[in-house]
Amino acid sequence: GNSVTQMEGPVTLSEEAFLTINCTYTATGYPSLFWYVQYPGEGLQLLLKATKADDKGSNKGFEATYRKETTSFHLEKGSVQVSDSAVYFCALMTNDYKLSFGAGTTVTVRA
Amino acid sequence: KAGVTQTPRYLIKTRGQQVTLSCSPISGHRSVSWYQQTPGQGLQFLFEYFSETQRNKGNFPGRFSGRQFSNSRSEMNVSTLELGDSALYLCASSTDTIGSGNTIYFGEGSWLTVV
Repeated sequence: GNSVTQMEGPVTLSEEAFLTINCTYTATGYPSLFWYVQYPGEGLQLLLKATKADDKGSNKGFEATYRKETTSFHLEKGSVQVSDSAVYFCALMTNDYKLSFGAGTTVTVRA
Repeated sequence: KAGVTQTPRYLIKTRGQQVTLSCSPISGHRSVSWYQQTPGQGLQFLFEYFSETQRNKGNFPGRFSGRQFSNSRSEMNVSTLELGDSALYLCASSTDTIGSGNTIYFGEGSWLTVV
């Protein structure tokens, strides 16, 4: 079956630091990959996505590249802000109509 | 364009009761799915509907059920509530979810507390 493993947190950074959250997956077929973000007390917001190998998703300074050879989709941001403090979820979808999520990584950015 | 709307946002129920949660998808979206989020189990898929048909179901007991109406609005029901059903229930909608990477939009969720 499909599964997603992402880096355990919590992660604490200073403002303007570089952020990386590792995500690897196991899937049957050719999944689409996603990063979602959840702010306290809110639902999930799509941060970025990639639908095929070597695609790069990007949004709000965040980037992730779909690496089929390493089955990875690591999230990166070059300079984080306090407002980036949230929980980040890596997810995949194949043709079974459901998202499979990682456990989530809590990121705290200190001023 | 309005987002995915879930009602109610917060509710408290007693063990043994039943609860119905409602979801209105984004206009034009025909796929609606439901997820349960708990600190211990994370985000787990409940079920997905498209044009009133359930296309997939997660590993939850039969107490969890759902349906979709002709206008794509969806409801989920949990009967005989247990303490472990306390969770954030998230609804999501999409134009379709067949492995094509269509963007899936989530609502704010319904916070259910069972006492």
